[in-house]
Amino acid sequence: DAGVIQSPRHEVTEMGQEVTLRCKPISGHNSLFWYRQTMMRGLELLIYFNNNVPIDDSGMPEDRFSAKMPNASFSTLKIQPSEPRDSAVYFCASSLRPGQGTNTGELFFGEGSRLTVL
Amino acid sequence: AQKITQTQPGMFVQEKEAVTLDCTYDTSDQSYGLFWYKQPSSGEMIFLIYQGSYDEQNATEGRYSLNFQKARKSANLVISASQLGDSAMYFCAMRELGYSTLTFGKGTMLLVSP
Repeated sequence: DAGVIQSPRHEVTEMGQEVTLRCKPISGHNSLFWYRQTMMRGLELLIYFNNNVPIDDSGMPEDRFSAKMPNASFSTLKIQPSEPRDSAVYFCASSLRPGQGTNTGELFFGEGSRLTVL
Repeated sequence: AQKITQTQPGMFVQEKEAVTLDCTYDTSDQSYGLFWYKQPSSGEMIFLIYQGSYDEQNATEGRYSLNFQKARKSANLVISASQLGDSAMYFCAMRELGYSTLTFGKGTMLLVSP
């Protein structure tokens, strides 16, 4: 079975440009998460969706960041305009809701999108 | 206050030895879950092991075991018979009652030497 698929794997852009990161969750998973990883701050939750509905976006740094999940198989994280401090690895993860059957709520991560903003 | 604390920024171990990676957590919930993930240099996050707060037995998965001490709020990962391929960052994480999200610690870098 395919895991979580993210694209692009690497993105280098200039300050002020729009960046769109994409994610395809595992089929059948009903929760989707966007995390950001930096050396200074570690892994931070940006936003998560349950059944395509944003539940908690309190981790989104500022209005320059937006995320959508138009259907169960696709999500985007957009940064507009991008800034050098946005440089990080952005992970998408998906899971079943905890408690569904014997599910523990384990997160399955994509390989990440490494963003560099010059 | 940090919810997950990993006090060891780095650990060294020789091949075939056992190593313990520390994790303490902070929650007022009675029901929660604890997770360990491995992140090798290639960058992906790999799930290793899970412990539920009501589980009476310590979780084990192959060479990985979780030393769960509820009263001390610790969930240390024990890797037995270390292998060179175990060199990676290791993250402890917690999911609290009513939440789907995981909160991660800062991680511990493990280096296994021949």
